[in-house]
Amino acid sequence: NAGVMQNPRHLVRRRGQEARLRCSPMKGHSHVYWYRQLPEEGLKFMVYLQKENIIDESGMPKERFSAEFPKEGPSILRIQQVVRGDSAAYFCASSIKTGGLGYNEQFFGPGTRLTVL
Amino acid sequence: GEDVEQSLFLSVREGDSSVINCTYTDSSSTYLYWYKQEPGAGLQLLTYIFSNMDMKQDQRLTVLLNKKDKHLSLRIADTQTGDSAIYFCAENNDMRFGAGTRLTVKP
Repeated sequence: NAGVMQNPRHLVRRRGQEARLRCSPMKGHSHVYWYRQLPEEGLKFMVYLQKENIIDESGMPKERFSAEFPKEGPSILRIQQVVRGDSAAYFCASSIKTGGLGYNEQFFGPGTRLTVL
Repeated sequence: GEDVEQSLFLSVREGDSSVINCTYTDSSSTYLYWYKQEPGAGLQLLTYIFSNMDMKQDQRLTVLLNKKDKHLSLRIADTQTGDSAIYFCAENNDMRFGAGTRLTVKP
């Protein structure tokens, strides 16, 4: 059973280009979370998705960032017109069910390290 | 929204105990987690505690939970250089993570 997969592992973009980050959750997991980790800073929640639905995007910048988790295929985090401040590690995690009363371990992917030149 | 807070840095000497603290605000959380992130890697679950417990021990790790004060701590006994990492606490209701505590172990 493969873990959470993210690709690419490293992505270099020039200012103004688009970045697409992919996340394939663990088999059987229908909940996906995206986080951003800036250099020497902590982990910041961005967005929480279920298949075809955005559940919570309170951590997502209002402009240039979007996320989707289609019925088929991986979850995509898309950053348009990247700027140097977008350089960070972006982590995806998946879980088998949502929060609430139950045990809900998130399984993390290895991250995509985005560098904006 | 609900919040999870941690101090950002902790430095200890090899062989000493490390205590990493965390406070959270969501009183409806039923599980609280500690994750570990080694350099260049993703997060991995280290341990967790159910909210009706005060303490959980797992080899060198001891988790203490004060539900009244919404305070969680992770104690690492006999800290080794291999324990150097970033440690994150998280709660299960909104799955919010703290910013992470960077533990540095000096020989």
